[in-house]
Amino acid sequence: TQLLEQSPQFLSIQEGENLTVYCNSSSVFSSLQWYRQEPGEGPVLLVTVVTGGEVKKLKRLTFQFGDARKDSSLHITAAQPGDTGLYLCAGDTNAGKSTFGDGTTLTVKP
Amino acid sequence: DAGVIQSPRHEVTEMGQEVTLRCKPISGHNSLFWYRQTMMRGLELLIYFNNNVPIDDSGMPEDRFSAKMPNASFSTLKIQPSEPRDSAVYFCAGGTGLNSYTFGSGTRLTVV
Repeated sequence: TQLLEQSPQFLSIQEGENLTVYCNSSSVFSSLQWYRQEPGEGPVLLVTVVTGGEVKKLKRLTFQFGDARKDSSLHITAAQPGDTGLYLCAGDTNAGKSTFGDGTTLTVKP
Repeated sequence: DAGVIQSPRHEVTEMGQEVTLRCKPISGHNSLFWYRQTMMRGLELLIYFNNNVPIDDSGMPEDRFSAKMPNASFSTLKIQPSEPRDSAVYFCAGGTGLNSYTFGSGTRLTVV
């Protein structure tokens, strides 16, 4: 079983600040996904990264896949209260299923 | 598109009772996954189907759990008999490739 470690586990910041959360593993992934989950709902897919070193941007969110495809980061610029939620990374090893990390709980205070 | 539909949204049952959770995936999604989420263990994959066929059920905790997918538009997860430690949020998710899943809103199960 591949273990995905996410850090930090909890993050509380003020509106307007920047932040980075991390997803690390000792395993190589063929693809990696980031999801955001709000209370009472299921995770919602934000992005999929496939190529080592790949960088994808989604408005104020920047996702990077490590060169070795073992780790990833999510950077949020000028965080807003609407960014509050649980951020989950999930890795796929070509086995047809994904392993999820335990997530980073982000709170952005107005 | 209504997305992945799960029912019920909430279920409270007594220990020992049978519980059946239901999922209607998005049309065209050929993979279907059942996950369980708890504070202690996070999101755990229970079982997944591809083209209605169970591919990997190694995450099913024990024989009390069973899942079926009789056709492409319906799946069930059954727990019999239920126990308090089964209390969790159960998610159904579907996808078509690259493991980019669409999740339902989940069923919050409480076994008392």
